[in-house]
Amino acid sequence: NAGVTQTPKFQVLKTGQSMTLQCAQDMNHEYMSWYRQDPGMGLRLIHYSVGAGITDQGEVPNGYNVSRSTTEDFPLRLLSAAPSQTSVYFCASSYGLAEGNEQFFGPGTRLTVL
Amino acid sequence: KQEVTQIPAALSVPEGENLVLNCSFTDSAIYNLQWFRQDPGKGLTSLLLIQSSQREQTSGRLNASLDKSSGRSTLYIAASQPGDSATYLCAVNNYGQNFVFGPGTRLSVLP
Repeated sequence: NAGVTQTPKFQVLKTGQSMTLQCAQDMNHEYMSWYRQDPGMGLRLIHYSVGAGITDQGEVPNGYNVSRSTTEDFPLRLLSAAPSQTSVYFCASSYGLAEGNEQFFGPGTRLTVL
Repeated sequence: KQEVTQIPAALSVPEGENLVLNCSFTDSAIYNLQWFRQDPGKGLTSLLLIQSSQREQTSGRLNASLDKSSGRSTLYIAASQPGDSATYLCAVNNYGQNFVFGPGTRLSVLP
């Protein structure tokens, strides 16, 4: 199993550009989520999904869109990048939110918006 | 709203020492508490998951305990090694809720 994979590893964007961060998992997990990690702010939840076709907002959803057309994939879209979106982005997955369900994380995407 | 804190924020110890990292949470109605390790510039690696019905979990030199009533968990690292140097994060999720992370403890184990 590859686990949770993310692409790209690094990305530099100019203000106003759009892009999609890719996330995939091969563990048949229903629950997937996106976090951003900033110095002094810890990990904050952007969006999450409890299954294909179902998504919802987390703590900091503004400026980001998600969709979940398959169980395996959960892409994160930046519609018009802003310098405030410079961060490290992590995708995570688990079987669900119930007792005993361990979260697994991808290696992250380091994004810089100029 | 669940809040998670970790003490200390940073810790430096000589190799071979046993050490304890602390995690506190405000809402005790949790499903799980998970400890992670993060190396600089890397992702999060799961260390231990404690279910709400459990009081502790062990993996090698690591032992994590959970006291729901007091809203506390500890991660005990025995015979620390320089390779243990990393940031350690705890995360909890309440019934039907997403995980909430603590700010982490940055550990340095000196040779």
